[in-house]
Amino acid sequence: EAGVTQFPSHSVIEKGQTVTLRCDPISGHDNLYWYRRVMGKEIKFLLHFVKESKQDESGMPNNRFLAERTGGTYSTLKVQPAELEDSGVYFCASSRRMGQVYYGYTFGSGTRLTVV
Amino acid sequence: QKEVEQNSGPLSVPEGAIASLNCTYSDRGSQSFFWYRQYSGKSPELIMFIYSNGDKEDGRFTAQLNKASQYVSLLIRDSQPSDSATYLCAVSNTGGFKTIFGAGTRLFVKA
Repeated sequence: EAGVTQFPSHSVIEKGQTVTLRCDPISGHDNLYWYRRVMGKEIKFLLHFVKESKQDESGMPNNRFLAERTGGTYSTLKVQPAELEDSGVYFCASSRRMGQVYYGYTFGSGTRLTVV
Repeated sequence: QKEVEQNSGPLSVPEGAIASLNCTYSDRGSQSFFWYRQYSGKSPELIMFIYSNGDKEDGRFTAQLNKASQYVSLLIRDSQPSDSATYLCAVSNTGGFKTIFGAGTRLFVKA
């Protein structure tokens, strides 16, 4: 099966600009997640979609971040306007669950965002 | 106190030895526990998950869980240089999919 695909792999933007990250989960995985790793820190949860619905967005840092998953397939994460502290690696992950068994995440390769 | 704590390492072991990686977590409601391996510049890769107290073995890997002590460990037997990576401990609570990651332990296996 194809893995989780993220685009772009790298993005360098100026402070104040807008960037949109895209994630295509594994086909059939209803659960899609966005995480972020800032240099030297742990991977931090941003939000969780179940199909097209936001299940948990408690990790979104502020209203400059907007995530969507129209149609329950791919997802986008928009940062507008970008600030220097938004720099980091943004990971998308998807997972499946069968009954009470939760199989853990399959991660995408990440988008390295640099805001200058 | 961090929600998931790991020793950052590096942990250095000779080839063929057993590598022991440890993790503690703060939320007693945690029900699902995962170990991910992350090579430098790559994304995390799931290698083990465990839900019940005790041991779970998969090839050269054994995950151990002690909920009373809020402790999770990963043993890697017959360590190989290709096992050199950062190992991330991750914890999730019941009914939720939000996963909390530790900062990771860097493992170095010397040939």
